[in-house]
Amino acid sequence: QLQLQESGPGLVKPSETLSLTCTVSGVSISSDVHYWGWIRQPPGKGLEWIGYIHSSGTTYSNPSLMSRVRLSIDTSGNQFFLKLTSLTAADTAVYYCASHNCPNGVCSVGNWFDPWGQGTQVTVSS
Amino acid sequence: QSVLTQPPSVSGAPGERVTISCTGSRSNIGAGYDVHWYRQLPGTAPKVLIYANTNRPSGVPDRFSGSKSGTLASLDITGLQAEDEADYYCQSYEGGLRGSEIFGGGTKLTVL
Repeated sequence: QLQLQESGPGLVKPSETLSLTCTVSGVSISSDVHYWGWIRQPPGKGLEWIGYIHSSGTTYSNPSLMSRVRLSIDTSGNQFFLKLTSLTAADTAVYYCASHNCPNGVCSVGNWFDPWGQGTQVTVSS
Repeated sequence: QSVLTQPPSVSGAPGERVTISCTGSRSNIGAGYDVHWYRQLPGTAPKVLIYANTNRPSGVPDRFSGSKSGTLASLDITGLQAEDEADYYCQSYEGGLRGSEIFGGGTKLTVL
């Protein structure tokens, strides 16, 4: 059964870089039938897509965050990573990793996220 | 301001039916992109409730159904139960050169 688990620092200073790891279990991250994604949720607010990466290295990112987002993948460790630079208080949120599905083995944009990790709280504060 | 518009809140009594709307535009839902629905219980991660407009994952009761027409998608919940009280989000894709996965602002369902 596919499961995802986020890990990273709970507190980061403004202007610094956030580094998060998502560890995947139950499926090889090299599988062709998943994009591996990040979504965040500021306190009391809705969901915001950050981006996703395929095992081939193909990435897609939210245009509003693209200049600050770096996505990478480690197939040997079955992990993928998010780096978000130039942090401000507006980046305070719960960060989720999730599998973006490729129905019938066809990967494309616009599919659903399932399952999600439990989320990790990130606070940007000095 | 979310690209997909949902009512901030809806409510209903146990046993009743409620509908949550998700209004998009010609560049997302109206362009043919699928709509997916998630339920988020307090303090937990969202879970998919309906995918590709009308499909229920295994384990989701048939009290939940989805539909899509034009630029509008809807989530229907019949036979409301107390445990349905949660936040509900729709998701689709914004097409074009600056394409992006997009979410609605979320709807808080209160079971009276």
